[in-house]
Amino acid sequence: DVKVTQSSRYLVKRTGEKVFLECVQDMDHENMFWYRQDPGLGLRLIYFSYDVKMKEKGDIPEGYSVSREKKERFSLILESASTNQTSMYLCASSLGAETTYEQYFGPGTRLTVT
Amino acid sequence: KNQVEQSPQSLIILEGKNCTLQCNYTVSPFSNLRWYKQDTGRGPVSLTIMTFSENTKSNGRYTATLDADTKQSSLHITASQLSDSASYICVVSADSGYALNFGKGTSLLVTP
Repeated sequence: DVKVTQSSRYLVKRTGEKVFLECVQDMDHENMFWYRQDPGLGLRLIYFSYDVKMKEKGDIPEGYSVSREKKERFSLILESASTNQTSMYLCASSLGAETTYEQYFGPGTRLTVT
Repeated sequence: KNQVEQSPQSLIILEGKNCTLQCNYTVSPFSNLRWYKQDTGRGPVSLTIMTFSENTKSNGRYTATLDADTKQSSLHITASQLSDSASYICVVSADSGYALNFGKGTSLLVTP
């Protein structure tokens, strides 16, 4: 079974703090994704990575950066957290980039910025 | 603009009853359509995937249908169980690129 784990289930940070969200997958998948999920908006893609040290912006990259130093680990960084970044963050991985490959999701991190 | 609309927004049914969730999309050119189930506090899990040439796909008590001409899909749940309580998300992909177009989901509550 594919397993995607995220470092925290719940996180509370203050405005202006630098926040790191970590994601690890154990299936040697090439592609990894970060989404945020907000009520009434559905899932929106922040960034994705198709290889180590490679990244592409998604639909809403502003205020975020990512890092992929190892194939199994993909980090989302909030350089200076703001209250409008309070959300559920979901990491996913897939074997291939084509959309016919299933994306496997982690359990999510619920981030609250106060 | 690629859009995915789901209805109803929420639904309450009695255990043992059947229900059908709807998904309409404008994604073009069409590649594939997935239904995901998301339990509260968990990540989404894929139930079915259908490509252009498929018009029905089953996964246990879940049956998805696709009408590519009218750009509509439905997810039918038979003999519902309490564990079916979740959000069901329709995801449609275009025939190019990596992007997934997510619906906002239908929240289903199955009551005893």
